[in-house]
This record gives sequence, C-alpha cells and structure tokens, in this order.
Amino acid sequence: DSGVTQTPKHLITATGQRVTLRCSPRSGDLSVYWYQQSLDQGLQFLIQYYNGEERAKGNILERFSAQQFPDLHSELNLSSLELGDSALYFCASTIGGGPSNEQFFGPGTRLTVL
Amino acid sequence: GIQVEQSPPDLILQEGANSTLRCNFSDSVNNLQWFHQNPWGQLINLFYIPSGTKQNGRLSATTVATERYSLLYISSSQTTDSGVYFCAVTLGSGYALNFGKGTSLLVTP
Repeated sequence: DSGVTQTPKHLITATGQRVTLRCSPRSGDLSVYWYQQSLDQGLQFLIQYYNGEERAKGNILERFSAQQFPDLHSELNLSSLELGDSALYFCASTIGGGPSNEQFFGPGTRLTVL
Repeated sequence: GIQVEQSPPDLILQEGANSTLRCNFSDSVNNLQWFHQNPWGQLINLFYIPSGTKQNGRLSATTVATERYSLLYISSSQTTDSGVYFCAVTLGSGYALNFGKGTSLLVTP
C-alpha cells in the first residue's frame, strides 16, 4: 500500500458525459501528479500540482482539467467523454515538487466510456 | 525528444530462472524508478535508483547514469513475478516521469 488513495476504483459512463476522479496524496506529500494509461499510448503524464498550484503540464486535453485543494487532495475532471478516453488513470504523490523526488502511485481509477 | 527504451518487450521464464531487464534513456537523469504492474493494474514501486545499485530480496537494480542505462535483475523467479515491468525517468529539466513501454514477463510453473 503506497498511502495514495484514489476513488472510485471503477467508473463506467457514456460518451458525452462528465466525470470526476479523486486522489488523496500520502500524508505529508505536497505534490500530486496525474497519469493516463491507455492501450495505444502507454503511460503518459497529464498534469502536476504542488501545494495547490499547477507546476507542470503534459499531454492533457482541453476537455480535461484538474485542481488541488487546500487539504492537498486533487481532482481530475474529464468532460465530453469519448470512447478513446477509456483508460486507467493514476495519481502519484511526492513530498516535494522537484524532478528528483520518488513518486508513489495510487491504485488507479479504471474509466470505461461506452 | 525524450526516449526511454526497454528490452526485451516480452519474456517467458520457467519458475526458478533468472532474468535481466534493461532500460536505456536519452538524457541526464534526475529520477529513475522501476515499477511492477500486476495483473490487477496496480503499479508497485520496486526501486528508486537514479544511480548506483540496490537490492531488495530476489530483486536488484543498477543504474549507470553516465552511460544512460539501468538494469533490473530478477533471481529465482516465481509465478507471482508475472506482470509488466516499467522503467520511468525524469530527464533534463522535466518534472514528470517518462515511462518506457515495459517488459511483459510471464513466469510459468
């Protein structure tokens, strides 16, 4: 158990809908990263927050947005869902915001868009 | 661009055999991690190893940053070692982990 929690574990929804994925980092960690794992693209970085502020952005679609709240939990919002958004979404946390910190991953949320 | 290449892509072993997985990367490394993704999809941290050598039970890893590669050794493999092994690095000025495509390992009884 990494100490990072993600909810829900599974999510099944329809095209065009909007969903919210939630992540709670390990106790004491200030930074949260979101990654997407799909069959065709592999594991890709989406976005990073550090202590409530956006720190780095990766291949995140405009239909997706995220935020980190004062209690340091983070939410990833996916809207106007398409079939291709079906994937495993991971959250990771680190104690600092820099590139050399070890990242600890949550169990993931498996999203299926029908 | 940033490249992380893992080899071999697939590996089938009999229980008890040893194996070496390789990760090559294209730039100076700030962070290098090895993960095991189990059949349920969970990413398990194996090693945080931007340089040097570490051992944990039957697993060990070595990173030679100056030559831009890392090796993961699995000894006396067990069926529970099956899954996909990922190498991931943060390179240059980047913050995020860049993942290789993984090595898919199947250990048969």
